[in-house]
Amino acid sequence: EIVLTQSPGTLSLSPGERATLSCRASQSVSNNYLAWYQQKPGQAPRLLIYGASSRATGFPDRFSGSGSGTDFTLTISRLEPEDFAVYYCQQYGSLPRTFGQGTKVEIK
Amino acid sequence: EVQLVESGGGLVQPGGSLRLSCAASGFTFSSYAMSWVRQAPGKGLEWVAGIRGGGDTIHYADSVKGRFTISRDNSKNTLYLEMNSLRAEDTAVYYCATHYGDYLNRFDSWGQGTLVTVSS
Repeated sequence: EIVLTQSPGTLSLSPGERATLSCRASQSVSNNYLAWYQQKPGQAPRLLIYGASSRATGFPDRFSGSGSGTDFTLTISRLEPEDFAVYYCQQYGSLPRTFGQGTKVEIK
Repeated sequence: EVQLVESGGGLVQPGGSLRLSCAASGFTFSSYAMSWVRQAPGKGLEWVAGIRGGGDTIHYADSVKGRFTISRDNSKNTLYLEMNSLRAEDTAVYYCATHYGDYLNRFDSWGQGTLVTVSS
C-alpha cells in the first residue's frame, strides 16, 4: 500500500499570500496518477487536480500542481477567501487507492 | 449534470448490518466505475470499495474485506454498499463517487454523503 504523507498539517496564511502544500509518497506513484481534492466544512470533497498537474473544471489558474515519482506539490499562488479549506492528495496508480491525511489552509 | 444521492445511513448497533444506496443521474451510469469513500468524524478520507461499470471487477480496502459488499444495478442507475459485522470504527460519512471512465482512477464527482453511526 502506498502511504501518502502531507505537510504541513496546518498552514496559517493571509489572503493574497502564496500557499505551498506537499504530498510525499512511500513509493513511486505510477504514471504520476496523483490527484488533489478541496474540501470545505460540511461539504463533499471536490476534485481539484489530476494527473499531478491538470486542473479540474471550475478551478482558476491560481491553483497548480507539480511533481513526479514520490514528491508532489499543490500551489495556490494568491489565496482568495474561498480557498481556505482542507486539501487532500490521493494516488490512483495502485491498489488500494489511498489518501493523504490532509492539509488545512486556515486564515491567519 | 452529474447527481449522486446517497441514502440508507443511520444508527446501528455493533455487529449489525446496513445497506447504503447511491442513486445516480446525469450520465451513462453503466459506463463508469464507481466507489465508496468514507470519512470518520473529524478525520481524513478513506477509500472503501470500487466497482467497474459492468460489475465484473471489484476491489476492497483491507479494513472492510469480508464484511462489506459493493454492487450495482445498472438498470436502476444505483450503487449499493452492503455492510455487515459493523464496528465502532466504521462510523463515518459514506460518500459515493464516480471515476473518470470505467477505471478506478481519480474521483470525479461526489455525492453529499450519508452518515453511518455504529454505537450501542
